[in-house]
Amino acid sequence: GAGVSQTPSNKVTEKGKYVELRCDPISGHTALYWYRQSLGQGPEFLIYFQGTGAADDSGLPNDRFFAVRPEGSVSTLKIQRTERGDSAVYLCASSLTASGPDGYTFGSGTRLTVV
Amino acid sequence: SQQGEEDPQALSIQEGENATMNCSYKTSINNLQWYRQNSGRGLVHLILIRSNEREKHSGRLRVTLDTSKKSSSLLITASRAADTASYFCATDWGSGGYQKVTFGIGTKLQVIP
Repeated sequence: GAGVSQTPSNKVTEKGKYVELRCDPISGHTALYWYRQSLGQGPEFLIYFQGTGAADDSGLPNDRFFAVRPEGSVSTLKIQRTERGDSAVYLCASSLTASGPDGYTFGSGTRLTVV
Repeated sequence: SQQGEEDPQALSIQEGENATMNCSYKTSINNLQWYRQNSGRGLVHLILIRSNEREKHSGRLRVTLDTSKKSSSLLITASRAADTASYFCATDWGSGGYQKVTFGIGTKLQVIP
């Protein structure tokens, strides 16, 4: 596609529920990143994929968070037993190569609200 | 943490004036990037400056990098109302062959028409 697509754009869920957030990167981009942004803060790194594998998941806050990218394109961020503190905008970004100098292309994000 | 810190956190100027935002960081970097964000959603990549570069231009944007002081500045000349947004610096400090990019908390710029 022309850009990075994230769905849904907004998600409201009850505390304790499971949610999946989807990211469709730019075609051909091998590197994919998930970030989380709370109000008034900068994006906070969660996980980086190179191809199908999670090369760096050091930013995942706990084991309720998990992400996959089974075919090296679309990625899904999964959050189990959601808590109110998980409410944030979840941003996905992709880049052509892992070490490329072109910066990231971001999607518009998914605003997750846990009530 | 490696997170950069932008200064000021908020800036309000009149249209036509120049806007300068600063970023400081803590450890050695591979490159530094600036992004713009409107309305708290997707970020737009503006410019990347490598650690061996000192200044870079792109249209009305001028970025400087001083690695000895671990700081960078973003200058927007002849500002327009459409420049109103939050601006983030992002430092790439990865050593594993890939970009490990950490964002600051941003500068909120308001350009008054």
